[in-house]
Order: sequence, then C-alpha cells, then structure tokens
Amino acid sequence: AQSVAQPEDQVNVAEGNPLTVKCTYSVSGNPYLFWYVQYPNRGLQFLLKYITGDNLVKGSYGFEAEFNKSQTSFHLKKPSALVSDSALYFCAVGGFQKLVFGTGTRLLVSP
Amino acid sequence: DVKVTQSSRYLVKRTGEKVFLECVQDMDHENMFWYRQDPGLGLRLIYFSYDVKMKEKGDIPEGYSVSREKKERFSLILESASTNQTSMYLCASSLGRWGAGNQPQHFGDGTRLSIL
Repeated sequence: AQSVAQPEDQVNVAEGNPLTVKCTYSVSGNPYLFWYVQYPNRGLQFLLKYITGDNLVKGSYGFEAEFNKSQTSFHLKKPSALVSDSALYFCAVGGFQKLVFGTGTRLLVSP
Repeated sequence: DVKVTQSSRYLVKRTGEKVFLECVQDMDHENMFWYRQDPGLGLRLIYFSYDVKMKEKGDIPEGYSVSREKKERFSLILESASTNQTSMYLCASSLGRWGAGNQPQHFGDGTRLSIL
C-alpha cells in the first residue's frame, strides 16, 4: 500500500530565505507524487506533480520539488519565501485509483 | 480552469438528521472523491466514484453513503448525523477512468459541517 510521511508539523522561515517542506513516500513500483497547498477556509490547490523524467519538477507560484529515488523523498522547495506562502502544504502519492495524502505541514513565513 | 463547486460553505445540523452534501464539477471528469479533513489527521478518503452510478469505499466509509446519478454531480449522504461527523468535507474530481493515481485532483472549497 502507498503511504507518505510529512515529518514536520510546522516549518518557520523568514521572508526572503529559502524554504523546504519535507515529504517521504513508500510505494511498490514507480511513484506518482504531488504537492498541494491549502489557504485558510479554502480547498486544496494543485502545485506540481512528478510522474517520470527530470528529478527537479517546477510548479506554480515559484515552487519546485526534488524527487530522490534512493532516499524515497519528494521535498518541496522555493528559493525565496514570501509571507503570502504561509499556508498548509500536503504531499500525496498516487495509487491505482486514488491519491493518499500526508497529514500536512504548516508553513509560516515571517516578515 | 476546472471548477468544483460545493453547495454549502457552512452547515449546521442536529444529531440524527439525514444530511446531504452536494458537489458539482464542470470539466467532464470521470472520477470524483469525497474526503474529510480533521486537524492532525490530514485528508481521509470516504468514498469515490469513477463513473456514473459506480462507487467505491474509501478508508472511512462507515456512517456515509454516496450517490452519482449524473457524471458532473457527486453527493455525500450522512444517513444519521452524529457529533463525531463534525468536520470539513472536501470534494474533488480528476481525469482518467483508470489510473487516476497519476492525475492531479481538483478540489472544491469545502463544507464545514457542524453536528449539534
């Protein structure tokens, strides 16, 4: 069965600094991996996905994610954080007919 | 852009009531999903459907049922609401009848349901 783990409940970063939100996965076979963002009182918004190909995936709002097969990780990154990036971030792994989501990481960017 | 619309943003019901949550998508997606979101637990899949009149149980189907009479509409039904069903409910849709696991899901803004 597929699973993902987001080891940090919260990540704090100062505006302008690089940010990383961590995700590790467990699947049999090739993984399909996703990142979503959720702003307060809103649904989840799709940021990016890895299906195959380059290990560095670029997505919306300047975010990117690095796929590392040997470490079974898919960390979300951004070179320079904005206060408006403060939100809840979810990693997900794709199964046969559905996605399995992590428990979420709250990102807090301070001015 | 894909639009997934949930009929209510906030809903307050009483224990024992039958509750209907409605979801409509406008992009002719085959797959539709219902999740509940609780702090510290992330998203948990209740039911999903990959075609009209088809439904599959997710991870926590107890106390819920679903209906998909038309491709664009997926309804979640709480047969007899209980206080432990107070939660945020999210609907989503995606392309691809088979292999939905490699397609991004598109979410509505959620229904915050309180059962008193």
